[in-house]
Parts: sequence; structure tokens; C-alpha cells
Amino acid sequence: GAGVSQTPSNKVTEKGKYVELRCDPISGHTALYWYRQSLGQGPEFLIYFQGTGAADDSGLPNDRFFAVRPEGSVSTLKIQRTERGDSAVYLCASSIRGAGANVLTFGAGSRLTVL
Amino acid sequence: TQLLEQSPQFLSIQEGENLTVYCNSSSVFSSLQWYRQEPGEGPVLLVTVVTGGEVKKLKRLTFQFGDARKDSSLHITAAQPGDTGLYLCAGASGTYKYIFGTGTRLKVLA
Repeated sequence: GAGVSQTPSNKVTEKGKYVELRCDPISGHTALYWYRQSLGQGPEFLIYFQGTGAADDSGLPNDRFFAVRPEGSVSTLKIQRTERGDSAVYLCASSIRGAGANVLTFGAGSRLTVL
Repeated sequence: TQLLEQSPQFLSIQEGENLTVYCNSSSVFSSLQWYRQEPGEGPVLLVTVVTGGEVKKLKRLTFQFGDARKDSSLHITAAQPGDTGLYLCAGASGTYKYIFGTGTRLKVLA
């Protein structure tokens, strides 16, 4: 597609439930990033994929968070046993490659609210 | 842990005024980018600076990368209401990882 698409745009769930957030990157972009952004703050790095593999998952807060990109295109961020502190906007970005000074194109984000 | 601190955190000014936003770190970055983000949208890239001391201009916006590649500034001349938004700096750590700053929320009043 023309841009990075994220679904759902809004997700409200109850504490303890399982959530999946989807990212459809720009066609041909091999690098894919997930960030988490709290209100008024800068995005916080979660994980980076180069192709199908997670090259760096050091930003995932704990083992309740997991992300996959099985075919090197669409990625899914999975959150188990959600907690109220997981509430945030989850941003996905893609770029042609992961080299420095590259242009990241962001999606509009998925706003997650955990009640 | 690499941190990018931005100042000020909030800024509310009148149309036509000038302003400067700062982005500081104790770490050296291979490149630094500035983004602007509007409510309900993802950040949009404004500029990338790569060389220490580099200055880039984008219409009324002037970006500077510090000589030591640890800090950067964004100067806006004659601010307009359309400049309102969240400004973010992001430093490239290594070959792929981008660390974002804490953000500066700018509001320009007509």
C-alpha cells in the first residue's frame, strides 16, 4: 500500500485479556519497527525486524509482549494478560533498510486502552 | 541507556514569534532526525542531519547538529499556527536503532 497501515486503530480491553495489533508496512520495506508512545511522550523502542527475524527485541518490557513477522511483511504485536500500564499508542514504522539515516515511515498507531 | 532530553517540554507562543527547541544527550549518534507529530497520527520526518556541525534549512525551520554529534537544535522563525504539534528528535544508535527524545509540545496562537 501507499503507507503503513495499522489495525485496529482503537482497542479497548479488560485487564488480563489477550490482544493482537497488526502492522502492514509499505511494500518492499524490509525493516519494520514497533514503538510504544504514552500521551505527550516520545516513542519508546520495542522491537526491530529485518526481514522475518527480530534483529533486536531489547525494548520489549517483559515476556507478556511478543511480535512476529512470519513472511517478512505484515507484523503482529501480541500482548498477553494485559495490564492497565500497557495502555498506550503502539506505533509501527517501516523503512527500506535498517541502516542509519534511513527514513522511517510511521503508521497512525493503534491506541490500546486496558480497563 | 541512551537518553535524548528535549527542552522545553511545552511551549506556547504567539504567531510571528521565533523559538528554539533543544535535543541533548550524553551519547554520540551517527545521525539525528527531527519529526513532527499531530494528534492521532504517526511522526512525520522533517530532516536528517549526519555531519557534526551540519546546518539544514527547511523554509522557516533551521536544524543544527552539534559538533560532537551529541545534541541538536530546531529553530523556527516567525511561527505560524500550522507549526503546532509535537516535535521529536531521534538519534540513530548503530545502524538501525532510533532512540526518540522526550518531545516538545508546541502551540502557536493566532
